Amino acid sequence: DAKTTQPNSMESNEEEPVHLPCNHSTISGTDYIHWYRQLPSQGPEYVIHGLTSNVNNRMASLAIAEDRKSSTLILHRATLRDAAVYYCISGNAGNNRKLIWGLGTSLAVNP
Amino acid sequence: KAGVTQTPRYLIKTRGQQVTLSCSPISGHRSVSWYQQTPGQGLQFLFEYFSETQRNKGNFPGRFSGRQFSNSRSEMNVSTLELGDSALYLCASSQTSGGEQFFGPGTRLTVL
Repeated sequence: DAKTTQPNSMESNEEEPVHLPCNHSTISGTDYIHWYRQLPSQGPEYVIHGLTSNVNNRMASLAIAEDRKSSTLILHRATLRDAAVYYCISGNAGNNRKLIWGLGTSLAVNP
Repeated sequence: KAGVTQTPRYLIKTRGQQVTLSCSPISGHRSVSWYQQTPGQGLQFLFEYFSETQRNKGNFPGRFSGRQFSNSRSEMNVSTLELGDSALYLCASSQTSGGEQFFGPGTRLTVL
């Protein structure tokens, strides 16, 4: 499974967009890109996932580079509740659970 | 629909003891995965069960074992506890193996 690289921390202001980058240069053709986030004192929660095309859902958007070696999670309007650790994971969305999570990006949102 | 529940939420044990953690998945979910989370290592995959069968296993010693019951509930056991086993143990369920995972709040294990 591909290893991902994320910045340790990022900061944003409330109601501004946030772009969280992720590098996955060793990704294979069948590996999906998953994003989860973990709020303080909670287990991780699913945010979004994609394979090749950009994806949108009610929580966020996922922009995937054409060569798939990087992706960006976009929170369109950050709220205080979005302060969390964001994990970018790359791996096979089939039976393989050996996804390498890494330490994620800790996002701080300023009021 | 109730979320993933884990019991107990907190646990303190001493070295050499053994411990059993429990996870109840979301109703209808047949896949349960276990993860260990520590500050320095992040989340590390332990194993996944689907329909009472272990589907995948991470790189943990044999002291870590698990099982899944016919109602999809799962237990994880750690024998001969070591100080390094202190961690947050997370359980995640999904409808199918490889599907979107829903995590429980975790069990915080402290080994003294």
